[in-house]
Amino acid sequence: AQSVTQLGSHVSVSEGALVLLRCNYSSSVPPYLFWYVQYPNQGLQLLLKYTTGATLVKGINGFEAEFKKSETSFHLTKPSAHMSDAAEYFCAVTQGGTYKYIFGTGTRLKVLA
Amino acid sequence: DADVTQTPRNRITKTGKRIMLECSQTKGHDRMYWYRQDPGLGLRLIYYSFDVKDINKGEISDGYSVSRQAQAKFSLSLESAIPNQTALYFCATSDGGRLNQPQHFGDGTRLSIL
Repeated sequence: AQSVTQLGSHVSVSEGALVLLRCNYSSSVPPYLFWYVQYPNQGLQLLLKYTTGATLVKGINGFEAEFKKSETSFHLTKPSAHMSDAAEYFCAVTQGGTYKYIFGTGTRLKVLA
Repeated sequence: DADVTQTPRNRITKTGKRIMLECSQTKGHDRMYWYRQDPGLGLRLIYYSFDVKDINKGEISDGYSVSRQAQAKFSLSLESAIPNQTALYFCATSDGGRLNQPQHFGDGTRLSIL
């Protein structure tokens, strides 16, 4: 069965510092991976996705993630945090041709001035 | 206008009442989903539908029902609301004709049951 683990329900960084949000997945077949962001009082918006091909994926707002099969990880990074990055972030996995999207429990990012 | 629209955005009601949450989309997607979000639990799937004649239970369907009135409309009902159904509810869509596409979400309905 597929699963997603996000380490750290709350992460705080200083403005301008590196953002690193961790996501590990479990899947018996090649996964398709997504990161979403949720701002207050809004739905989830897609940040980036990995399906096949290049393992380093670039998304919106300067975020990127690297698919590492050997580590079963898909960590989200951004070189320099901005106050507007404060939000909740969700990692999700699905596999080929299925209906099911499995979400992690989310990481709330706080950016300190 | 939003691609996935949920109404109402907020609702407070009493235990035992029947409630309907509505979702409509203009993306032309065939697949629609209902999730609930609770703090620390992420998103959990309630029901999903691949087309008007195809309705399927998700992992937490007890106490809920759905109706797919048209390709663009998918409503969620709580027949007799109870306090532990207080949560944030999301509707989502995806394009079933293209494998492994991301889901598109509405802005959610915050439901409080007293």
